Amino acid sequence: QVQLQQWGAGLLKPSETLSLTCTVYGGSFSDYYWTWIRQPPGKGLEWIGEINNIGSTKYNPSLHSRVTISADTSKNQFSLKVYSVAAADTAVYYCARGSGRFYQGVFDNWGQGTLVTVSS
Amino acid sequence: DIQMTQSPSSLSASVGDRVTITCQASQDITNYLNWYQQKPGKAPKLLIYDASNLETGVPSRFSGSGSGTDFTFTISSLQPEDIATYYCQQYDNPPFTFGPGTRVDIK
Repeated sequence: QVQLQQWGAGLLKPSETLSLTCTVYGGSFSDYYWTWIRQPPGKGLEWIGEINNIGSTKYNPSLHSRVTISADTSKNQFSLKVYSVAAADTAVYYCARGSGRFYQGVFDNWGQGTLVTVSS
Repeated sequence: DIQMTQSPSSLSASVGDRVTITCQASQDITNYLNWYQQKPGKAPKLLIYDASNLETGVPSRFSGSGSGTDFTFTISSLQPEDIATYYCQQYDNPPFTFGPGTRVDIK
């Protein structure tokens, strides 16, 4: 039974750096891609980006210049950093496991979500 | 980016009713299309992958069909626990994108 458990700071000021980490319990870390998705309050879902076990990343161009996703395979963990946050970055952030036939865009296991609020 | 649209944006139906949601992609995505259920305060849950494959453990009253640009999600007999928002999502090409969601509640 795969479980994803995420944590990180929930309240930031504008221009600060958002930092979240997700630990994967159970299952193989190396066989999947590991993804971050966010959801502003009352709105839809936005894919932020992904990483695999060898550190290969893809990012959403809408955020690419401000985002870094990294992984620590020794701890079965992956992390998200969003730089220079603004109020528009206020959202629930989810980590998720990705699989699929060509691209790994089937998100079959999710973390519990972390509400990150950006406010001065 | 591939744009995803869904209709309706919300619906109200009775227990036991058949419920259908449609999803349209802005370009051909073959069958790289997933459906998720999200209940308030919870993470989304994968129900259907690759347009028509039922995820393990998901009740058989949920089904999906379609290919190319037009897709359909069906609940054959609506149950009270199905009250949620449903999202389609394409993974034909990154950035992977979601539809705006369809909120389903009980009449």
